[in-house]
Amino acid sequence: GAGVSQSPSNKVTEKGKDVELRCDPISGHTALYWYRQSLGQGLEFLIYFQGNSAPDKSGLPSDRFSAERTGGSVSTLTIQRTQQEDSAVYLCASSLTGQPDTQYFGPGTRLTVL
Amino acid sequence: AQSVTQPDIHITVSEGASLELRCNYSYGATPYLFWYVQSPGQGLQLLLKYFSGDTLVQGIKGFEAEFKRSQSSFNLRKPSVHWSDAAEYFCAAPDNAGNMLTFGGGTRLMVKP
Repeated sequence: GAGVSQSPSNKVTEKGKDVELRCDPISGHTALYWYRQSLGQGLEFLIYFQGNSAPDKSGLPSDRFSAERTGGSVSTLTIQRTQQEDSAVYLCASSLTGQPDTQYFGPGTRLTVL
Repeated sequence: AQSVTQPDIHITVSEGASLELRCNYSYGATPYLFWYVQSPGQGLQLLLKYFSGDTLVQGIKGFEAEFKRSQSSFNLRKPSVHWSDAAEYFCAAPDNAGNMLTFGGGTRLMVKP
């Protein structure tokens, strides 16, 4: 079956612009996660959605970052007023449940802020 | 706070040699543990996982890992490395609520011909 997909695969933007990154989880998976992978910080959790519950936003680094998940499926991560330190690979993952469960990762979106 | 540590940032082995990548964790209860592999420009692929039961778990691509509570370790092993195994390997564990993963810093594996 189809895995987790993300778009775009690469995004180059100018400092100060807003960007939207999209994630399509595996069909039927109730949990969706966003992570960020950067050279200095490794892999960091950003935000977690589980079913219809309020998302866990504890990993978002600033209020410029937000995410939504529509209809319990597709998710969009938005970064407003991008900064150079936002340059990273943004990875999305989904799992069947929100319990300790295997997370399946998408290929990521590489964001470069000039 | 819970943590996952991979002591080796880089490892180089010869093709055909055995491999062991180290992972240490600090968790109160029995943790759930994962190993993922990331090839250049790719996302993370699950190699294997430990939830409970047999402490020696088998994964894909000929990898295995052993959970040792006494050493707080979950080391990844392969008896004979192939050139295609060159990649970055991450050990991970979910937090107490079973949600987000905490990752080790990763170990980059290089394979010499």
